[in-house]
Amino acid sequence: ETGVTQTPRHLVMGMTNKKSLKCEQHLGHNAMYWYKQSAKKPLELMFVYNFKEQTENNSVPSRFSPECPNSSHLFLHLHTLQPEDSALYLCASSQEGTTVGDEQFFGPGTRLTVL
Amino acid sequence: TQLLEQSPQFLSIQEGENLTVYCNSSSVFSSLQWYRQEPGEGPVLLVTVVTGGEVKKLKRLTFQFGDARKDSSLHITAAQPGDTGLYLCAGGPFLKTSYDKVIFGPGTSLSVIP
Repeated sequence: ETGVTQTPRHLVMGMTNKKSLKCEQHLGHNAMYWYKQSAKKPLELMFVYNFKEQTENNSVPSRFSPECPNSSHLFLHLHTLQPEDSALYLCASSQEGTTVGDEQFFGPGTRLTVL
Repeated sequence: TQLLEQSPQFLSIQEGENLTVYCNSSSVFSSLQWYRQEPGEGPVLLVTVVTGGEVKKLKRLTFQFGDARKDSSLHITAAQPGDTGLYLCAGGPFLKTSYDKVIFGPGTSLSVIP
């Protein structure tokens, strides 16, 4: 148990569906992240939020829309996805601005399959 | 652009054997983390090293940060099936700005056969 939870754990959706991934961290951290992990590829950083403000968007297609209502919750809204978007989506948190700010704590991930 | 390389990419060994995996870069890092990820789960932090030449031990795992803070190694003694997983290294940028984030290597996939 890392203190970061993600729901759902598995999601199958059609290309015309709209769904949302949820992440919650119970560690009191001030930064949250979305990563995409595809088979045989390194972790791809998608979005970063520091103190609820988005500080990074790594050229992610607009069909992925993040939302961070507070420092403990992070959402990833999905719409009109493509089959190549099928992957493991990981949420992570960290305490930026400290000596351990580089340590990230990950949730278990959401395995997304787009049909 | 900072990049982290890991070797080997895949490793399959018998239970009880020793192994070393490597994490290399041409860039200097402020810190380096090692994570283990099991199939279908998120990466779990194993250790952080911050000082050049630092060695940390976690039971049968020994982590070393290179003197120049550009590379690291993970040595496992007497590997067990429970050590099976993807080992990821990650480096914290030396010069921190709002745009510099931790970067991850591609990972070493370890399989320990009983």
